[in-house]
Amino acid sequence: ILNVEQSPQSLHVQEGDSTNFTCSFPSSNFYALHWYRWETAKSPEALFVMTLNGDEKKKGRISATLNTKEGYSYLYIKGSQPEDSATYLCAFNFGNEKLTFGTGTRLTIIP
Amino acid sequence: DTAVSQTPKYLVTQMGNDKSIKCEQNLGHDTMYWYKQDSKKFLKIMFSYNNKELIINETVPNRFSPKSPDKAHLNLHINSLELGDSAVYFCASSQGELAGAGEQFFGPGTRLTVL
Repeated sequence: ILNVEQSPQSLHVQEGDSTNFTCSFPSSNFYALHWYRWETAKSPEALFVMTLNGDEKKKGRISATLNTKEGYSYLYIKGSQPEDSATYLCAFNFGNEKLTFGTGTRLTIIP
Repeated sequence: DTAVSQTPKYLVTQMGNDKSIKCEQNLGHDTMYWYKQDSKKFLKIMFSYNNKELIINETVPNRFSPKSPDKAHLNLHINSLELGDSAVYFCASSQGELAGAGEQFFGPGTRLTVL
């Protein structure tokens, strides 16, 4: 069974603080790792697609790293703002032409 | 302009009915998908089409039949609806031949309620 696990399941962070969360996946047969941001009552939006071990990607205050050898990716948010409140999903592509999604980390920013 | 659109947004119907959900993307993508968001808010792939050809067909009851008249459209037809089919269904699309490689663009979702 190929599982993608995310931790923590939920997180409350004070506005202005930085935070990070984890996506774990099987380290064999790696093809690509995706991060999506999913706001309540909206649809998931892509943040990053990462394919190489050691990849680091950044979009504004959000960045992600990838370690394919040990099977994890971290998502970092610097200086959290209320608009960062959302569920952050990671999804793993094993090269079998589909994405397997994790259950997400629900982030709430406290003003 | 909406990149990936789905209709209807809400669908309430009786058990046993047949219904369709339509999806269109104007991004010129080669690959389209249907996902089901289950009761635990988990996104699960149902089907994937690449250039009108079925690529992925997960263990979905054969009451569910996708149809892709052209690469910009992927419709989902459901026969003999059951209570357990109640969920939010998301359509998505991505570029490239290998499904799951490129970032996916999601539609707004269709909330199906079976009574």
